[in-house]
Amino acid sequence: EVQLLESGGGFVQPGGSLRLSCAASGFTFTNYAMGWFRQAPGKGLEWVSAINGRGSSSYFADSVRGRFTVSRDNSKNTLYLQMNSLRAEDTAVYYCAKRDGSSGFSDYWGQGTLVTVSS
Amino acid sequence: IVMTQSPATLSVSPGERATLSCRASQSVSSNLAWYQQKLGQAPRLLIYGASTRATGIPARFSGSGSGTEFTLTISSLQSEDFAVYYCQLYNDWPVVIFGGGTKLEIK
Repeated sequence: EVQLLESGGGFVQPGGSLRLSCAASGFTFTNYAMGWFRQAPGKGLEWVSAINGRGSSSYFADSVRGRFTVSRDNSKNTLYLQMNSLRAEDTAVYYCAKRDGSSGFSDYWGQGTLVTVSS
Repeated sequence: IVMTQSPATLSVSPGERATLSCRASQSVSSNLAWYQQKLGQAPRLLIYGASTRATGIPARFSGSGSGTEFTLTISSLQSEDFAVYYCQLYNDWPVVIFGGGTKLEIK
């Protein structure tokens, strides 16, 4: 059974940093690209970042490029999102999700972790 | 490309049919997915490739469409189907584009 479990969310002041983790199990982690998505309170879904299976290529939405980095440790089956220079508008539930093979949709999602940026 | 879902809220009685729409601002391939999200839960994949049900999704869920117009139909609503539904265009991974969502509520 595929499982994705995010952690690391919390309360942070503007300009601060947080690192989110996503522990994966139930599939061969290194074979799949992974993504991060977020959902601001009461709003829709937004793609944030993605990384290929080997971790050699990473991608970011314009709204976070230059502030967020994504990485993975395939030996630990874990995905990370390092978030720096956080802003109030980064407040959201952050989800990690597994990409379905070579398609672009996400077939499994974690339960999410809440990040609150406020002074 | 902008994905527009309509209506924003749909009120339907249990047992009735629900039809949700997703429109692309320009013609796109069939790389269109639908997700269901219940309050406080993660999105759940329902449909991909515009019309293929994901593993374990009941047959009452069906997707159709091409070009700029896509539809998610739930043939006979069950109590557990009341949720928010999102369409997603994924033809240019990793950039994926979500519609704004349709809230399906009990009438």
